[in-house]
Amino acid sequence: KAGVTQTPRYLIKTRGQQVTLSCSPISGHRSVSWYQQTPGQGLQFLFEYFSETQRNKGNFPGRFSGRQFSNSRSEMNVSTLELGDSALYLCASSFGGGGEKLFFGSGTQLSVL
Amino acid sequence: QKEVEQDPGPLSVPEGAIVSLNCTYSNSAFQYFMWYRQYSRKGPELLMYTYSSGNKEDGRFTAQVDKSSKYISLFIRDSQPSDSATYLCAMHSNDYKLSFGAGTTVTVRA
Repeated sequence: KAGVTQTPRYLIKTRGQQVTLSCSPISGHRSVSWYQQTPGQGLQFLFEYFSETQRNKGNFPGRFSGRQFSNSRSEMNVSTLELGDSALYLCASSFGGGGEKLFFGSGTQLSVL
Repeated sequence: QKEVEQDPGPLSVPEGAIVSLNCTYSNSAFQYFMWYRQYSRKGPELLMYTYSSGNKEDGRFTAQVDKSSKYISLFIRDSQPSDSATYLCAMHSNDYKLSFGAGTTVTVRA
């Protein structure tokens, strides 16, 4: 069974640009969550989508947005990139019911110069 | 104060030793508890999952949850060099927002 797939694996952008990251969940999983991981802040929740609807949101500015498609694939967009947005962005999927196990992809390493 | 506090480490142990990892939490709404292992430049890998107080064993790994004390632990028996990684505790309530500990880096010396 294929795991969570995230593309691209690495990205280098400059300040002010925007970026789109992609996540394909495990087959049959309908919930996709996004997390930001930095050495200073650790893993922080960005948002969660279920059946194309944002169900939960963390404390990030509006520059961070996402969406989910009918096939459960999800994209995350960051506009007007700042140096502090450099991080590993992780996607996790689950079936989407209660008390779920979450399975993570390998992440997209974003560097903002 | 963070919702989840994890013993910071790092830990360095000889091969074959027992590794003990601990987290405390403050949010009594947390119902589901997980331990993840993360290798460098990789995503977290789910090791253990539990939703009740008590012990859960899986091979060399034992997870303990004490909801009355808001305390969870992970024990690794007969540790191997391949167990060298960062271990993260995580937990959530009935939403899908995982709260993570900061992680403990473990090195198992051959």
